[in-house]
Amino acid sequence: DAKTTQPPSMDCAEGRAANLPCNHSTISGNEYVYWYRQIHSQGPQYIIHGLKNNETNEMASLIITEDRKSSTLILPHATLRDTAVYYCIRSGSARQLTFGSGTQLTVLP
Amino acid sequence: GAVVSQHPSWVICKSGTSVKIECRSLDFQATTMFWYRQFPKQSLMLMATSNEGSKATYEQGVEKDKFLINHASLTLSTLTVTSAHPEDSSFYICSAVFREDIQYFGAGTRLSVL
Repeated sequence: DAKTTQPPSMDCAEGRAANLPCNHSTISGNEYVYWYRQIHSQGPQYIIHGLKNNETNEMASLIITEDRKSSTLILPHATLRDTAVYYCIRSGSARQLTFGSGTQLTVLP
Repeated sequence: GAVVSQHPSWVICKSGTSVKIECRSLDFQATTMFWYRQFPKQSLMLMATSNEGSKATYEQGVEKDKFLINHASLTLSTLTVTSAHPEDSSFYICSAVFREDIQYFGAGTRLSVL
C-alpha cells in the first residue's frame, strides 16, 4: 500500500511545464511528501521533498495544498531526458520509503 | 547531492553460483543502507536494511540465507546472492540516507542468472 494516488501516465510537450499530481488525502501531520524519478534501467533519483510549504530547487518545484491532501510536482521546462517514472511517496522518515507504481511521464518532441 | 555508488552495474552468472554486489556511499558515512529489488514492470520492493556493525533486518519473505548482507564499514555494504537461480534474476538497487533527510540510490545492478 503506497498510500498515494498518481495517474499511471502523462504526456508533456518538450519545453513546456510538466505538472504531475499526487493525492495523499490521509497524510499524517508528521509525514513528508517525497518525489523521486526513475529513468529506465537506472536507480531512483531524488527530486525534492516537503512538509507543508512549497519547495523549489534546481530540478523542480513542489506545490503542496494547504490541507496537505495533495501535491503537484512541476518540471518547469521539460526535456526529453525528463522522460521517466515519477514516484510520489509520503513518509515520516527518509528511512521508510514505499514505492508505488508512479506516473510514467513521456516528454514528446 | 550525495552519491551512492553500486558495482557491478550488470552481471551474468551460471545457476548455482554466488554473486556479490557492492554499495558505497562516496562522500558521506551511512550507518544504514537499504537493498531493494525490482522485477520488470514492477516497482521497487525493499528487501533488507543493512546496519553497520550488526545484522541486517530482512523484510518478510526474503530469505536471509540466500541474500547475505554485510555492512562492515560506514561506507560499504555488500549483498551476496548465494546459489543464484534464474528466478533471482532481477534489478537490485541499494540506497543510503544522507543526514537523516534524503535517501539516495545507487544506479542498480542487473543480475541475469542462466
